[in-house]
Amino acid sequence: GQNIDQPTEMTATEGAIVQINCTYQTSGFNGLFWYQQHAGEAPTFLSYNVLDGLEEKGRFSSFLSRSKGYSYLLLKELQMKDSASYLCAVNGAAGNKLTFGGGTRVLVKP
Amino acid sequence: DADVTQTPRNRITKTGKRIMLECSQTKGHDRMYWYRQDPGLGLRLIYYSFDVKDINKGEISDGYSVSRQAQAKFSLSLESAIPNQTALYFCATSDSGRANTGELFFGEGSRLTVL
Repeated sequence: GQNIDQPTEMTATEGAIVQINCTYQTSGFNGLFWYQQHAGEAPTFLSYNVLDGLEEKGRFSSFLSRSKGYSYLLLKELQMKDSASYLCAVNGAAGNKLTFGGGTRVLVKP
Repeated sequence: DADVTQTPRNRITKTGKRIMLECSQTKGHDRMYWYRQDPGLGLRLIYYSFDVKDINKGEISDGYSVSRQAQAKFSLSLESAIPNQTALYFCATSDSGRANTGELFFGEGSRLTVL
């Protein structure tokens, strides 16, 4: 089976840093995705990790440890527009079916 | 214009009615998916299709059916809608080509309310 866990909600201050953790247990592993989703809108792609280590893209970074079944998304220099849900998803089989965690709602306060 | 288009965007219906949600894409992708989203439960896969003649059940297919009429079109039907099918539904596509990572591209969503 597939199990993906991430915190339900986090609050942070504008300009600060927030780290969203994701742990997974899946049958097979072909990559881990992070998506951003503003309320009522479609998820949009943020990052993809398939090898261990850190991927940096501007203010956003994503880390993966396959041996620990663990990833995190790091959001730096938080802006009000970063208030959204962040979805962790694992491609666990060769058939390219993404399994999603429940999402972490991040609230950025002034 | 959106690459992945869903219709209708919002629909209110009554228990027992038949509902169809339609999805069309101009991305040229071969793979298409239907997910539903409920608060706190994330996105759950209903059905997926890797080609026109290919239909596969996801984790929550009961009460739903799909049709892949062409590579660009994938429709989701609720034969007899019930209130616990009230949710936000997303269509998504992906490309099985050489550079494929499994990344999904989502439509804008269809909000369905069953009274």
